Amino acid sequence: GNSVTQMEGPVTLSEEAFLTINCTYTATGYPSLFWYVQYPGEGLQLLLKATKADDKGSNKGFEATYRKETTSFHLEKGSVQVSDSAVYFCALSVSPDSWGKLQFGAGTQVVVTP
Amino acid sequence: GAVVSQHPSWVICKSGTSVKIECRSLDFQATTMFWYRQFPKQSLMLMATSNEGSKATYEQGVEKDKFLINHASLTLSTLTVTSAHPEDSSFYICSAIRGDTEAFFGQGTRLTVV
Repeated sequence: GNSVTQMEGPVTLSEEAFLTINCTYTATGYPSLFWYVQYPGEGLQLLLKATKADDKGSNKGFEATYRKETTSFHLEKGSVQVSDSAVYFCALSVSPDSWGKLQFGAGTQVVVTP
Repeated sequence: GAVVSQHPSWVICKSGTSVKIECRSLDFQATTMFWYRQFPKQSLMLMATSNEGSKATYEQGVEKDKFLINHASLTLSTLTVTSAHPEDSSFYICSAIRGDTEAFFGQGTRLTVV
């Protein structure tokens, strides 16, 4: 079956530090890959996505590259801010009709301190 | 971005009673909504796909008679946990699809059965 594995948190960083959250997946076919972010008290929001191998998704300074050879979609940001404190979820969809049917990783809490 | 609202945000109920959770798309019509369940420190698990005007499609292992889903309009899907028991205590999250692409999530409902 399909699955997503991401590094456990919490990850605690100082402001302006480099952030990496590892995500690997197992899937049949050719999945689309996503990173969602959940800020305290809010619903999940799409952060970025990639729909085919070698695609790079980017948003708000975050980047992730779809690596088919390593089945990975690691999230990176070069200089984090306190406002980036949140829980980050890696997810995949193999549904050809919609990106709504998602398989999620466990989530990684990121805490950025001033 | 689009807004999906869940109500209530949290609920406590007695064992054996039923609880209804609402998921509304506030500024768009959603023919398809999804219901997820999240256990502490675990990933979101898809429970069912809710289709407007038709029966929901449940994932393997999800009891359809326990978790009743109704999607009677293009902006509202409801999840009713029937004869709730303590093991049904969890965080329930809905999402709605706008068009055929991005999923927008509600803020979640914390259910505690005592």
